[in-house]
Amino acid sequence: AQTVTQSQPEMSVQEAETVTLSCTYDTSESDYYLFWYKQPPSRQMILVIRQEAYKQQNATENRFSVNFQKAAKSFSLKISDSQLGDAAMYFCAYRSQPGSAGTASKLTFGTGTRLQVTL
Amino acid sequence: GAVVSQHPSRVICKSGTSVKIECRSLDFQATTMFWYRQFPKKSLMLMATSNEGSKATYEQGVEKDKFLINHASLTLSTLTVTSAHPEDSSFYICSARQAGRVTGELFFGEGSRLTVL
Repeated sequence: AQTVTQSQPEMSVQEAETVTLSCTYDTSESDYYLFWYKQPPSRQMILVIRQEAYKQQNATENRFSVNFQKAAKSFSLKISDSQLGDAAMYFCAYRSQPGSAGTASKLTFGTGTRLQVTL
Repeated sequence: GAVVSQHPSRVICKSGTSVKIECRSLDFQATTMFWYRQFPKKSLMLMATSNEGSKATYEQGVEKDKFLINHASLTLSTLTVTSAHPEDSSFYICSARQAGRVTGELFFGEGSRLTVL
């Protein structure tokens, strides 16, 4: 079974600064998806960024980028120019490729990192 | 983007009663929906996978007779907590996989907070 580990329960960053959230995972599969989701106080999960394992290029979405190290099974999220609205819980998630035997397409989540953004 | 709506967002019920939570995909067809449970300041725990027109697949340790899941159409799945007890109080979140979408992400509802008195 796949596992996802987020070793930072809480992080803090000053507004306009950059912060990196860590995520490692364990899998025996060679092709899969990785995601970062954001859960603000409203509690609705919002997709921040997605990475396909077969792609070597790191995904970027505006101020959000990832550092995907497949061999190390590491998938960190970098938030640049942090804004107050970035304050939330951030969850790293893993998903097998659809069709993998016995896995369906469910997401496995890490335990989350609570990000605080200070003035 | 794809929108998933959950209803109700908050529900308070007496112990022993049953509560139904609806999860709807508003602008896409969802062949598969997932139900998660989240305890305060904790991660999401998958409860079950709901496939349209077939029985749900429950995760180990989840009582299927207590958490009834029905996925009768491509846009609606329901979770019924039967004979609810205070320990069932939690935040329940549904997510949906869009039929035909190959990029892998799931779309989440707003969540439903259940409080059992």
